[in-house]
Amino acid sequence: LAKTTQPISMDSYEGQEVNITCSHNNIATNDYITWYQQFPSQGPRFIIQGYKTKVTNEVASLFIPADRKSSTLSLPRVSLSDTAVYYCLVGDNDNAGNMLTFGGGTRLMVKP
Amino acid sequence: GAVVSQHPSRVICKSGTSVKIECRSLDFQATTMFWYRQFPKQSLMLMATSNEGSKATYEQGVEKDKFLINHASLTLSTLTVTSAHPEDSSFYICSARSDRAWEQYFGPGTRLTVT
Repeated sequence: LAKTTQPISMDSYEGQEVNITCSHNNIATNDYITWYQQFPSQGPRFIIQGYKTKVTNEVASLFIPADRKSSTLSLPRVSLSDTAVYYCLVGDNDNAGNMLTFGGGTRLMVKP
Repeated sequence: GAVVSQHPSRVICKSGTSVKIECRSLDFQATTMFWYRQFPKQSLMLMATSNEGSKATYEQGVEKDKFLINHASLTLSTLTVTSAHPEDSSFYICSARSDRAWEQYFGPGTRLTVT
């Protein structure tokens, strides 16, 4: 299973863009990169998934360089409600077992 | 989107008793359900994977006789913590996946406190 490494924590201010990077040096050819958000005492919530280049949805963007050994979750204009833990997972969509290992996550604190 | 519920959301039980946690997929058929445990300030740790109609597969270090998992229907899985001890106090989260999609949908979690 591809292991992921993320910063333990990050601080930001309201209205700023936040970029959280995840390293996954041994990502496999069939692996996708998925990001989840978790608020205290809640289950994780899907944010975005990508394979290569750039993916954008109404919540975030995901940037993946050509070598796919890292990825960056970009949250535009964060608000206080974006304070949460963000997890990066790497795995094969066709093999659910590969997408079940949560790393340490990044604890984002958005300040007023 | 797909919805997964858990019941109860919070439970307090005495040491030595057993407690059952339910996980339901409300609007899709979950062929596979997963159970996680999360201690304070830590990440989610997968405990077991259950497929409807078959025995659960437990992760290394998880006692299958202590954490009984039943996945008797395509919309319900239960986790029973038997003979609970204070060290079993944790946040238990389930997720569900259908056979038509890769994504797993997470429940809201159950906070178990053993006194």
